[in-house]
Amino acid sequence: QKEVEQNSGPLSVPEGAIASLNCTYSDRGSQSFFWYRQYSGKSPELIMSIYSNGDKEDGRFTAQLNKASQYVSLLIRDSQPSDSATYLCAVARRVQKLVFGTGTRLLVSP
Amino acid sequence: DVKVTQSSRYLVKRTGEKVFLECVQDMDHENMFWYRQDPGLGLRLIYFSYDVKMKEKGDIPEGYSVSREKKERFSLILESASTNQTSMYLCASSLAGGPQETQYFGPGTRLLVL
Repeated sequence: QKEVEQNSGPLSVPEGAIASLNCTYSDRGSQSFFWYRQYSGKSPELIMSIYSNGDKEDGRFTAQLNKASQYVSLLIRDSQPSDSATYLCAVARRVQKLVFGTGTRLLVSP
Repeated sequence: DVKVTQSSRYLVKRTGEKVFLECVQDMDHENMFWYRQDPGLGLRLIYFSYDVKMKEKGDIPEGYSVSREKKERFSLILESASTNQTSMYLCASSLAGGPQETQYFGPGTRLLVL
């Protein structure tokens, strides 16, 4: 079992729809959770971070964390073609050793 | 604004060559990291450093070494490059505050070993 698992996709949504990206992790000691966006040929950039159970909203993005079920999700409202990218879920334990999932490719069609 | 720079965007080397990948950050971050990214495998941590002259092995350190002589600079060394080290190499840096600190990535170096 991988430490951090994501569906590779592609996840296809029409412009204006909600995109829902999911991630599960295996280590119950995980404390910090991050979503990075990576455009093709570029490096990852942070979208959201979340540390406690519940929802965290930032503009069109909402991160959701459920430690009991060991999953974290990212919702993108009003999806735009510019949101088309690979979204990486990353998990950290007590120290800053991030473990990344392999990413979910999102395609937003006009 | 955090800036992490890497010495080369693209690099072509021959098997057996010694390869140096340089990373510099300008935000006085204590922590620096080297990852490689491969299709289907995601980002994997090679080495990280939490202080000058300090280093710790990540998940895949075999075939690599690192050097951190100055706080702002972290070098990844391939002592004898092999074809299975063809990959995208990403450097990152962060503050020392704990697991909640964000890692900021450089633009990456795409290395091809022939």
